[in-house]
Order: sequence, then C-alpha cells, then structure tokens
Amino acid sequence: EAQVTQNPRYLITVTGKKLTVTCSQNMNHEYMSWYRQDPGLGLRQIYYSMNVEVTDKGDVPEGYKVSRKEKRNFPLILESPSPNQTSLYFCASSLGSGGYTQYFGPGTRLTVL
Amino acid sequence: AQSVTQLGSHVSVSEGALVLLRCNYSSSVPPYLFWYVQYPNQGLQLLLKYTTGATLVKGINGFEAEFKKSETSFHLTKPSAHMSDAAEYFCAVSLDNDMRFGAGTRLTVKP
Repeated sequence: EAQVTQNPRYLITVTGKKLTVTCSQNMNHEYMSWYRQDPGLGLRQIYYSMNVEVTDKGDVPEGYKVSRKEKRNFPLILESPSPNQTSLYFCASSLGSGGYTQYFGPGTRLTVL
Repeated sequence: AQSVTQLGSHVSVSEGALVLLRCNYSSSVPPYLFWYVQYPNQGLQLLLKYTTGATLVKGINGFEAEFKKSETSFHLTKPSAHMSDAAEYFCAVSLDNDMRFGAGTRLTVKP
C-alpha cells in the first residue's frame, strides 16, 4: 500500500530534550516536506526537500533541522524543543513540487512541557 | 510570495444544502491551486486541484471548484451536502518549490 508513515504518533516531552520524528514514504517520491498545524493558522511549511541531500527552509524553520540521506526518509529533528513547538506535525511527499499532489502522513502530535 | 485567504473559519449548512467554501489567493503569476480535506484525527487528502487547462475542476465526493483568474479565487462547491462532508477544508497554492495553505474552514453539516 502506498503510504507515508510517521513515528511516533504522539509524543510528550520536556523542554530541551532532543527528539526526532521519523517520516518514510514508499512511493519513490522525490519531494518531501514537513508542516506544522496550529489552530487558526492552517499548515505552515517547516522544511522541504527536492531530492536526496537537497533541503531548504520553508516558512517556519527556526528550531528545526532535517536531513535527507535516503530518498524514502525525511526525519524532523528538534534539538532543543520549547513549548512553542507544541503542535501537530505532518510529513508529506510528492513526485515533485508545483502542481503535483502531496500525500500526507497521519500526523504526530507533539507536546513540549 | 504567494498567500491564501479562506473566508470563514466555520461554515454550517443543512444536509442537502449547497456547500460554498471561499478561497482567494495572492500571487504574481497564476499558481497551482489545491483543495485538501482533513477528517478528524487524520492527515490531509486531496479533493481536487487546478494546474492548467479547464478552469472548472471536478474532484472526489461531488466537489468542484472554479479557477477565476480575474477574481484570484478558487471557491469550492458541492450542490448537496452530506453528513459525511463534515471536516476541515484547506485551500493551498503552490508556486516554485513551496506550498502555502490557508487557515482552513471547518464545515459542519446539520441533519
């Protein structure tokens, strides 16, 4: 089954404790992206990747890191989480940017205390 | 940079009534336009999209949207609402390598 998977689905952590949210897709997509969803703000793009070893900042990259060492994986790293990073995070993938349909993972709900 | 405005954070309709969700965009050139739907506790899935060609786009579940360049709009409609349409709907624009989403409209369908 074609899908985007994220782990963990739920995470409660404390300020400053490094964490990684994994994202994997099995559709051989070149483009992958991370978003955060906050009430009243919709989805905002954190980082995106056009291909392996090619990443770029989205609208709200501060406090986040990403890497793209393999085509299928695009982990999101919070090296020192803060309470303002409490949010619902989505990973998405597509064949490319522009007019291509993005396929979304199920989301990761992160709470930083 | 492009941006998206969705008018109305909440829309409530009766079952069988017309659904109209409004989306306006700002872009220096015509962008790619999307409507995504999010059901409770799920990720987003594509309803429909406009890339090129016919400006009236038909999507899944009876939804359609019309790209109007002169009005910079891409409103989503469905002639007759069903209870299963209750969800949050997001309009999005894409140009170059990034995608911008609107704030979302939560659709409630009353029996």
